Amino acid sequence: LAKTTQPISMDSYEGQEVNITCSHNNIATNDYITWYQQFPSQGPRFIIQGYKTKVTNEVASLFIPADRKSSTLSLPRVSLSDTAVYYCLVGPSGAGSYQLTFGKGTKLSVIP
Amino acid sequence: GAGVSQTPSNKVTEKGKYVELRCDPISGHTALYWYRQSLGQGPEFLIYFQGTGAADDSGLPNDRFFAVRPEGSVSTLKIQRTERGDSAVYLCASSSTGTGKWDEQFFGPGTRLTVL
Repeated sequence: LAKTTQPISMDSYEGQEVNITCSHNNIATNDYITWYQQFPSQGPRFIIQGYKTKVTNEVASLFIPADRKSSTLSLPRVSLSDTAVYYCLVGPSGAGSYQLTFGKGTKLSVIP
Repeated sequence: GAGVSQTPSNKVTEKGKYVELRCDPISGHTALYWYRQSLGQGPEFLIYFQGTGAADDSGLPNDRFFAVRPEGSVSTLKIQRTERGDSAVYLCASSSTGTGKWDEQFFGPGTRLTVL
């Protein structure tokens, strides 16, 4: 599975837009990019998934450049409740590979 | 609708004891996964079931760990001769079968295992 690199932590004030960038230089042709969110004492929760260009849902946007070697999760107007760890995942590579490989994620702290 | 549930939420045991952790997936989901999460780390894959069979158990750390899903729904993770290093949060996830796109996995709240 493709290795990902993302910042360990980020701070933001309430109401600001937050962009978390993930690098995945060796992404494979059939890989998708997926982001999960994890609050303390809870399991991870799927946020968004994309393959190329831009994907938007009610929670976030995901921007993927043409070379797909990086991606950016954008959270509009964050609130205190967005304080969580955000994981960038890339895969699957290879037939039948459904396991998720998590890194350490980015710990986002939203400040009042 | 009901999500993935896990019991117990907390389990404290002594070194050398046997423990069982239970996972109830979302109804109708045929795929079930177990992960383990240590403090400050992301979840680490343990095993994946498709229906009743373990399709991928490559993440189980050693033969003290075993998991079953006899009827294709509820799963039990079993740990024999527990060690202090087994202390972690054990997460269960489920997903519907799918082709092509990487299925969204729905996680339970986890079982916090503490081995004294």
